[in-house]
Amino acid sequence: TQLLEQSPQFLSIQEGENLTVYCNSSSVFSSLQWYRQEPGEGPVLLVTVVTGGEVKKLKRLTFQFGDARKDSSLHITAAQPGDTGLYLCAGVRSGAGSYQLTFGKGTKLSVIP
Amino acid sequence: KAGVTQTPRYLIKTRGQQVTLSCSPISGHRSVSWYQQTPGQGLQFLFEYFSETQRNKGNFPGRFSGRQFSNSRSEMNVSTLELGDSALYLCASSFSGTQNTEAFFGQGTRLTVV
Repeated sequence: TQLLEQSPQFLSIQEGENLTVYCNSSSVFSSLQWYRQEPGEGPVLLVTVVTGGEVKKLKRLTFQFGDARKDSSLHITAAQPGDTGLYLCAGVRSGAGSYQLTFGKGTKLSVIP
Repeated sequence: KAGVTQTPRYLIKTRGQQVTLSCSPISGHRSVSWYQQTPGQGLQFLFEYFSETQRNKGNFPGRFSGRQFSNSRSEMNVSTLELGDSALYLCASSFSGTQNTEAFFGQGTRLTVV
């Protein structure tokens, strides 16, 4: 059972356009993380959101965590070819004696120059 | 500081064989997790080790096993390989494995079963 649904699965846009990627969950997680993965590499953490309603900005990337801590979005302003990659959201479950990331299937972004 | 190192990077095995993959975490990190990445299922959690103890296990058959050594290095083993085991296997290390912990991923081992 895939607990995290990401949409869209694929996105191809022109340089300079804006885009939003969504991550929806049927469960509440301790926190939610966004990763970016390039071909041949492992995922690299972009941000962790913990509090419901939280908004974090990383240059042209804006991350929001839903009030109920079950959904999140990633908005990219004025996309650049260097933003091309696979964007993954991951729910974090942690507690006494456990740590686990549950990933969405990812959004493959292509930014065309 | 050196990153997470996974060896080998690529591996080709025949159905029925077994395979062992290795992961050296970042120095000082005690939590090591393993994930399987396939185009159809995405990244799926296999198991997590902390201080040589398996703390959590994903929904994979018993053919998938792992262990962690006293220096935090980890290995995962897959026995009786099946074609469906072809995947990118990723290892992630973190300092403590808590909710705000950043997990650092290795480049992965690409396993092809023929």
